[in-house]
Amino acid sequence: QKEVEQNSGPLSVPEGAIASLNCTYSDRVSQSFFWYRQYSGKSPELIMSIYSNGDKEDGRFTAQLNKASQYVSLLIRDSQPSDSATYLCAVNANAGGTSYGKLTFGQGTILTVHP
Amino acid sequence: GAVVSQHPSRVICKSGTSVKIECRSLDFQATTMFWYRQFPKQSLMLMATSNEGSKATYEQGVEKDKFLINHASLTLSTLTVTSAHPEDSSFYICSAPGGADTQYFGPGTRLTVL
Repeated sequence: QKEVEQNSGPLSVPEGAIASLNCTYSDRVSQSFFWYRQYSGKSPELIMSIYSNGDKEDGRFTAQLNKASQYVSLLIRDSQPSDSATYLCAVNANAGGTSYGKLTFGQGTILTVHP
Repeated sequence: GAVVSQHPSRVICKSGTSVKIECRSLDFQATTMFWYRQFPKQSLMLMATSNEGSKATYEQGVEKDKFLINHASLTLSTLTVTSAHPEDSSFYICSAPGGADTQYFGPGTRLTVL
C-alpha cells in the first residue's frame, strides 16, 4: 500500500469550474500536509499547507483535512487554464525530530483546465 | 522569500562518467537538505537527507556508494552520481527546510546519461 495516494487522473475541468483533488495517507502519526503544484520541467511550488482538521482557504484554493479518515483534499474554485499542472500531495510524518522536513509525495494528479 | 539554487540546471554525460550537482541556500543557512529524484511522469522520491557536519542518511534502496552526498557548509550540499548509467537519467531536485515545516525547493537538475 502506498503511503500517500492521490486520486487517479488526469482530471479535466472547464474554465470557471471547481477542481477537486483528493489524497489519502497511511501513517496516522502524520502531522503536516501540503499541496504542491508542478509545471512540466519545473520543481514543485507550495500552494497550501494544513495542519489541523477542517478547512483552510487561501484565495481560490481550499484545503480540507480529516485526520480521522486520513484524508486531505484541495479544491480550486474558478479554475483557470493557468492552473493546468500536476498537483502533488505531500505529507510530513513527524513534526520535529529526525524526519523534520522530510516529505513523502503522492504520485500526483494531472489537472487540465480547458477554455 | 528564501531561495535555493541548483547547478547545473541541465547536464548530459556519457555512461560511466561522474556528475556533480550543487544545491545552495542563497539567503539562509541549512543544516539539513534533501535530495529527491523524479522520473518522467512519476512523483518525487526522496533519495537522501544531507546533514552538515555528518554523514548523509539514505532512503531504502538508494545506493550510498553511487550517490555521494557532501554537505560542505551550511549553504552547500552536493550530490555526485558516480559511474552514471542511462537508468540514472532523471530530474534531481534538492530542498531545504525553512522552518515551520516550510520547504524551499531548488529549480532542479535534468540529468541525461547517454
